[in-house]
Amino acid sequence: DAKTTQPPSMDCAEGRAANLPCNHSTISGNEYVYWYRQIHSQGPQYIIHGLKNNETNEMASLIITEDRKSSTLILPHATLRDTAVYYCIVRVAKNNNAGNMLTFGGGTRLMVKP
Amino acid sequence: GAVVSQHPSRVICKSGTSVKIECRSLDFQATTMFWYRQFPKQSLMLMATSNEGSKATYEQGVEKDKFLINHASLTLSTLTVTSAHPEDSSFYICSARASGNQPQHFGDGTRLSIL
Repeated sequence: DAKTTQPPSMDCAEGRAANLPCNHSTISGNEYVYWYRQIHSQGPQYIIHGLKNNETNEMASLIITEDRKSSTLILPHATLRDTAVYYCIVRVAKNNNAGNMLTFGGGTRLMVKP
Repeated sequence: GAVVSQHPSRVICKSGTSVKIECRSLDFQATTMFWYRQFPKQSLMLMATSNEGSKATYEQGVEKDKFLINHASLTLSTLTVTSAHPEDSSFYICSARASGNQPQHFGDGTRLSIL
């Protein structure tokens, strides 16, 4: 799976949008971009994923550049409860029972401040 | 949304004890389950992958005889840490996926402390 690069930490003011960048310049055409977050002492929580088009759900928006070499996760109105480590992962999605597991890097530690 | 339940959430036991951790997918059938380990201030590290009814595939450096994985049904996988020692103390997290093109969903982890 393609390697991703994320800033180790970011701060965001409560109520403002949090924009978390991720570089994945070696991504392949069949690799999806996944975002998870991990709040302290909990398991990772799935946020969103996409292939080419921008995606939005109740938690966040995912903006993928046209060349797919980078993406941005947007939390539109960050709250204190959004403080967590955010992981950007690229992975091939295969419709079989192959392992094809998620491999976690260091992620971005987002601190939402009052 | 998809729910993965992991039990127990915390275990404290003596050195030499074997500990079993259960992972259940509550509202979907998990063809593949994964076990991760996370040490303090580090990222998650994959230990093994298991498909229902098959033997688990272990990552390099993970002892299969020490970390026994059973994935006997589409909703349950267990990890048994045999003869646990203090260096096995860690945060163990399971994950389940319905099929290859679906997201992985994670349990809330088991904090294992070996005295």
